[in-house]
Amino acid sequence: EAGVTQFPSHSVIEKGQTVTLRCDPISGHDNLYWYRRVMGKEIKFLLHFVKESKQDESGMPNNRFLAERTGGTYSTLKVQPAELEDSGVYFCASSPRLGGANVLTFGAGSRLTVL
Amino acid sequence: GEDVEQSLFLSVREGDSSVINCTYTDSSSTYLYWYKQEPGAGLQLLTYIFSNMDMKQDQRLTVLLNKKDKHLSLRIADTQTGDSAIYFCADGPGNNRKLIWGLGTSLAVNP
Repeated sequence: EAGVTQFPSHSVIEKGQTVTLRCDPISGHDNLYWYRRVMGKEIKFLLHFVKESKQDESGMPNNRFLAERTGGTYSTLKVQPAELEDSGVYFCASSPRLGGANVLTFGAGSRLTVL
Repeated sequence: GEDVEQSLFLSVREGDSSVINCTYTDSSSTYLYWYKQEPGAGLQLLTYIFSNMDMKQDQRLTVLLNKKDKHLSLRIADTQTGDSAIYFCADGPGNNRKLIWGLGTSLAVNP
């Protein structure tokens, strides 16, 4: 089966611009997660979708970040307007499980550089 | 808040065993995980252990959990150059809830 796909792999934008990251989870995986790693810091949870619904968005930094998962398939994460501190690697992961251990399959990440 | 700590670097010789250590603070952790990240790749789940277990073995990997001390370790037997990567410890309550991550341990395997 195809893995989790993220696009773009790397984006370089200027402060104040908008960027949209996309994640295509494994087909049939109801759970979709966004995590972020800022350089030198831990990987941090951003939010969790179950199908098209936001199950937990407690990790979203502020209202400049908007995540959607229309139709419960792919997801987008938009940052508008981008700030310097938004630079980092954004990971998407998906999981089919409804309980038990979180067996996540991650994408390769989208590296965002804000200048 | 919950915290996961790991040493940042480990260097071993090919053929030796590697031991990567992790400590965590969350008393309600149900599962503890080890993920591996190779250069340019995503995070790959290596193994996980349920909190009521002390040990789990999977081929060259051995996970030890000391729940009293909140200490987790990953032992890689007969370490190979292909094992060079960043290893992340993570903990979580399971049931699809969020994971708390360590900074990652960069393992260098020298020939």
